[in-house]
Amino acid sequence: AQSVTQLGSHVSVSEGALVLLRCNYSSSVPPYLFWYVQYPNQGLQLLLKYTSAATLVKGINGFEAEFKKSETSFHLTKPSAHMSDAAEYFCAVSDRAGNMLTFGGGTRLMVKP
Amino acid sequence: NAGVTQTPKFQVLKTGQSMTLQCAQDMNHNSMYWYRQDPGMGLRLIYYSASEGTTDKGEVPNGYNVSRLNKREFSLRLESAAPSQTSVYFCASTGSGTAYTDTQYFGPGTRLTVL
Repeated sequence: AQSVTQLGSHVSVSEGALVLLRCNYSSSVPPYLFWYVQYPNQGLQLLLKYTSAATLVKGINGFEAEFKKSETSFHLTKPSAHMSDAAEYFCAVSDRAGNMLTFGGGTRLMVKP
Repeated sequence: NAGVTQTPKFQVLKTGQSMTLQCAQDMNHNSMYWYRQDPGMGLRLIYYSASEGTTDKGEVPNGYNVSRLNKREFSLRLESAAPSQTSVYFCASTGSGTAYTDTQYFGPGTRLTVL
């Protein structure tokens, strides 16, 4: 069985500050990992994904995430927050064996001016 | 391309009523999914269809049925709605049937309230 834990259901940063959203996973086989973003009243859209190539993955809108096997983590970062980054972010894991993604509970990012 | 579309956007039901949520994609994708989103619980898979003519249960299938009408359309039916089914429902699709590598494309969601 696989699972995803996102530490912090709400994160608040100032505009221009570093964004760090935490994701830890458990999986019995090497995972594929995803970060999705959901803007208010919209569906989810892919930010980035790790599929066993480079461990540092760059995504859209300046976000990146690093896969650390030893820590079973896939934290999402952005050097400088922008007001438009305010949204809910979901980490998800797939175990390659089937057709299902398992999502974390989500982290709502708030950006203060 | 419209991507993934869902109807209706909002719905209020009384306990025991039935309804069908519609989903269509115009990306020629093989696989389609239905999720529900509840606060603090992320998205949970209800049912999925890896290809036209096949459907499988996800994590939370009880109280729901699905139909893969054709390659484009995948509907979700609540036969006898219960307040516990109050949620936001998302449909998604992906191209090759291998969700573990492919990006899932999501519709805008249906907000359902069961009184």
